[in-house]
Amino acid sequence: DIQMTQSPSSLSASVGDIITISCRASRSISDSLNWYQQKQGNPPKLLIYAASTLQSGVPSRFSGSASGTDFTLTINSLQPEDFATYYCEQTFRTPPTFGVGTKVEI
Amino acid sequence: EAQLVQSGGGLVRPGESLRLSCSASGFNFGSYKMSWVRQAPGKGLEWVSSITESAVSTFYADSVKGRFTISRDNSKIALFLQMNSLTADDTAVYFCARRSYSRGCIFFDYWGQGALVVVSS
Repeated sequence: DIQMTQSPSSLSASVGDIITISCRASRSISDSLNWYQQKQGNPPKLLIYAASTLQSGVPSRFSGSASGTDFTLTINSLQPEDFATYYCEQTFRTPPTFGVGTKVEI
Repeated sequence: EAQLVQSGGGLVRPGESLRLSCSASGFNFGSYKMSWVRQAPGKGLEWVSSITESAVSTFYADSVKGRFTISRDNSKIALFLQMNSLTADDTAVYFCARRSYSRGCIFFDYWGQGALVVVSS
């Protein structure tokens, strides 16, 4: 299985901050990398797919980038509603695998 | 808009069985692969199983292979997960999710609300 190493596991930030979350794949996954946001008690919500394509309806302060097997989620100007847990996911090979998650806290 | 509504879940004893259901609306159900993803309490996301559009092919995580069966009824616009021989390690919230494809990438774009399965004696 392809392992996804996500970091950090948690981070503290303030409204207006720019934050970055990283994911590294254990092998090449092309751009088959997705990012999800999950708030307590809710299902995950797709933010970005194919490493950098913003899902419809997702604010433009969210962006994704890729460099080889390294992927980054950036949130510009953090908003109160962005405090949540974020997961990366690779779908290059079955089984799809997720990172451990990054909890963004105040 | 697409919507997935789940039913099922509950408390069962080790070794027992449970069936989860997921009812779809707002999209052409028979044109999409569907999946189940679970999340143990306080833990991350784990893919469980997927099924192709016409149910010709099914796929399972090693952790559930031989115990869980995914199925679908396109005429009833529903997805199912039959879970047998449950153990405490299967305790989790189970989500159904729609698999979509764009720009060469597969992703889960719609999710059910989740169903809690607790396996305990």
